[in-house]
Amino acid sequence: GENVEQHPSTLSVQEGDSAVIKCTYSDSASNYFPWYKQELGKRPQLIIDIRSNVGEKKDQRIAVTLNKTAKHFSLHITETQPEDSAVYFCAARPNDMRFGAGTRLTVKP
Amino acid sequence: DTGVSQDPRHKITKRGQNVTFRCDPISEHNRLYWYRQTLGQGPEFLTYFQNEAQLEKSRLLSDRFSAERPKGSFSTLEIQRTEQGDSAMYLCASSLSQGSYLSYEQYFGPGTRLTVT
Repeated sequence: GENVEQHPSTLSVQEGDSAVIKCTYSDSASNYFPWYKQELGKRPQLIIDIRSNVGEKKDQRIAVTLNKTAKHFSLHITETQPEDSAVYFCAARPNDMRFGAGTRLTVKP
Repeated sequence: DTGVSQDPRHKITKRGQNVTFRCDPISEHNRLYWYRQTLGQGPEFLTYFQNEAQLEKSRLLSDRFSAERPKGSFSTLEIQRTEQGDSAMYLCASSLSQGSYLSYEQYFGPGTRLTVT
């Protein structure tokens, strides 16, 4: 089955800097790669996603890149703000959705 | 509120008791998913339904767990003879699949936090 690994587990950046979170997946049949943001005590919220027929997608300060050959995808957050502080999860979907273990991002003001 | 809702939000039970959780998906969504999330981990897939049909069930799901979606709307997840290891957040999500249109986007509910003492 699909195995998703996510790095780093924690990430601390200064406000205004960029943050990058990386994930690898194992199942070449995976065709959908979402990223979720989860604040403490709240539900995971979909922030951006990408399908396997696209290499990059951008939405304001957030972008996701996908390298199907290497089976890895990344989340890029530019001009980070304190409200970006949360746990971020990547996921990959061959059939059911498999999530990474999460990255706790802290943006220091 | 037109999002996914779950009830109860918190449940404390004694080991050995049975518990049942309810999930109401977004009204037009026909796919419904159950996940379990423990502290410091990502959501772990348990099972999913398309309408009333349970299409997939994780091998990690023991026989003590059962889920239903009898009318293709809300779903229930029951855990029998609870164990301390069942303590976790149980999340529900929904998505839309209709004809040739398949939305992979899953929207999560707030979860039910289960504590087994």
